[in-house]
Amino acid sequence: DSGVTQTPKHLITATGQRVTLRCSPRSGDLSVYWYQQSLDQGLQFLIQYYNGEERAKGNILERFSAQQFPDLHSELNLSSLELGDSALYFCASSGSLALGSHEQFFGPGTRLTVL
Amino acid sequence: GENVEQHPSTLSVQEGDSAVIKCTYSDSASNYFPWYKQELGKRPQLIIDIRSNVGEKKDQRIAVTLNKTAKHFSLHITETQPEDSAVYFCAASLFGGGYNKLIFGAGTRLAVHP
Repeated sequence: DSGVTQTPKHLITATGQRVTLRCSPRSGDLSVYWYQQSLDQGLQFLIQYYNGEERAKGNILERFSAQQFPDLHSELNLSSLELGDSALYFCASSGSLALGSHEQFFGPGTRLTVL
Repeated sequence: GENVEQHPSTLSVQEGDSAVIKCTYSDSASNYFPWYKQELGKRPQLIIDIRSNVGEKKDQRIAVTLNKTAKHFSLHITETQPEDSAVYFCAASLFGGGYNKLIFGAGTRLAVHP
């Protein structure tokens, strides 16, 4: 157990719908990262938040958005869902970057199925 | 753009043999190179990492080497065991200033046969 929690574990929805994935980082970690893992594309970086502020952005679609709240948990919102959005979505967290905490600890993931 | 290439995509070895996985990165500013192991249906877990100011790092049966000039780094697993069977991902990052964006390779599926 990495200490990073994600809910829900599984999500099945229809095309055109909107969903919200939730992540709670390890206690004390300030950074949260979101990754998408599709069968044929490996792990793709989506976005990073550090202490509530966006710090890095990957190839995140405009239909996707994220935020990190004052209690440091994060939510990833996916809207106008398409079949190709079906994937495993991982959240990861890491400690204070000022202290040089490089390691990212991954949560168990949320499996999204769009029908 | 940033890119990490990983080879081979699949690797099959006999128990006790060594396994080597190679990665090449495109961004010469990258300074942090972790390796993650992902078992079927589970989360990626860090197994070893190396920073750009170090050329080699070893942890028991696992070692990583880095060639900054060639922008190339490799994972070496010695005396492989069946429980080493998993998908291994390399990654590269420009770490600093509150920024740590990991760019992953496509993964290597390692099978260790008893």
